[in-house]
Amino acid sequence: NAGVMQNPRHLVRRRGQEARLRCSPVKGHSHVYWYRQLPEEGLKFMVYLQKENIIDESGMPKERFSAEFPKEGPSILRIQQVVRGDSAAYFCASSPASTETQYFGPGTRLLVL
Amino acid sequence: AQSVTQLGSHVSVSEGALVLLRCNYSSSVPPYLFWYVQYPNQGLQLLLKYTTGATLVKGINGFEAEFKKSETSFHLTKPSAHMSDAAEYFCAVSFMNTGFQKLVFGTGTRLLVSP
Repeated sequence: NAGVMQNPRHLVRRRGQEARLRCSPVKGHSHVYWYRQLPEEGLKFMVYLQKENIIDESGMPKERFSAEFPKEGPSILRIQQVVRGDSAAYFCASSPASTETQYFGPGTRLLVL
Repeated sequence: AQSVTQLGSHVSVSEGALVLLRCNYSSSVPPYLFWYVQYPNQGLQLLLKYTTGATLVKGINGFEAEFKKSETSFHLTKPSAHMSDAAEYFCAVSFMNTGFQKLVFGTGTRLLVSP
């Protein structure tokens, strides 16, 4: 069984560009979570989505960041007009239900030049 | 607000020695507790978790942790360290009063194992 897949694994962007991070959950999982790990820090919750719905986005920055989980296809975390402070590892996790264990992907490491 | 504290950003042990990684949490409601391991350039792998029931929890790779409510702690131990245990370890809590498992992570402890 394939686990959570994220791509790209590494992404380099210049300031002002857009970054799109993709997450394919474990087959059969309809709950997706995004976390951000800044250098030398733990993971911080960003957003929780179910198919076609954002359930909790209390950890998302108010501007430039958005997330979606369409009926078909992967979940997307989109960062517009990236700044150097956006450089981090972004992890996606999925679970079969909201109360079940989350399984993490390998992360996308974003570097903003 | 709920928070997790991991004492010691780095812990060094010799191969075969006891591993003890500390985790304390602050919360006004009973949490669920987790330990995750992260190998370089990889995602997080669940080592073990406590939800309810027996307070001593056994996980993968010989690790175990004990939930002590009176001390608000969930320390991770392994009797004998192996070189392959070198990694970053994260303690996390979640609170079901949010309606889902909203994980709050500590800042991590890097375990170094020397021959």
